[in-house]
Amino acid sequence: QQQVKQSPQSLIVQKGGISIINCAYENTAFDYFPWYQQFPGKGPALLIAIRPDVSEKKEGRFTISFNKSAKQFSLHIMDSQPGDSATYFCAASRRLYGNKLVFGAGTILRVKS
Amino acid sequence: ETGVTQSPTHLIKTRGQQVTLRCSSQSGHNTVSWYQQALGQGPQFIFQYYREEENGRGNFPPRFSGLQFPNYSSELNVNALELDDSALYLCASSQRFQETQYFGPGTRLLVL
Repeated sequence: QQQVKQSPQSLIVQKGGISIINCAYENTAFDYFPWYQQFPGKGPALLIAIRPDVSEKKEGRFTISFNKSAKQFSLHIMDSQPGDSATYFCAASRRLYGNKLVFGAGTILRVKS
Repeated sequence: ETGVTQSPTHLIKTRGQQVTLRCSSQSGHNTVSWYQQALGQGPQFIFQYYREEENGRGNFPPRFSGLQFPNYSSELNVNALELDDSALYLCASSQRFQETQYFGPGTRLLVL
């Protein structure tokens, strides 16, 4: 089973702080790396995604950093807000092979106000 | 543009029964993928349908089967339910060869 390993399992951050979640993958054929946000009782929603030809992508307060040689990527949430409290999943896939997502185990983020 | 919808929202079954879950894909999307999300875990890929044919399968037994219809909606069928089948079942739709998958709210299945 192709794996994506995610850490930490849970994270508590003060309002205004930076939340950092890390993921590592094994299969070098992966070429698409999305992050999903999931609130209780809801399906995952795409937050931001990156391809391996760039090392960083930023959208608003959310940034993905990608290290191809280390086979690692991370999500940074700047100026974390209580509304960011959710479960975050990293994932990986091969775009031309149906883009079947392999998910990490998830990180429960709690932002304290 | 309508999003991905799933029905029912919740379902309770007993061991050995069969269940059918339904998914309507987002308008314009021709590919549907199904995922199982056990409590406290990440979603796991079950299978994908494109143009009414199975296009890849994860590590799930044959008692998990599916269908896709000409309007791209889809069904997930699970036979001989086991206690470990209790999970949130997610449907995601996408356009073939496009990266973004849009998830529905899921169906919460409890097997007693």
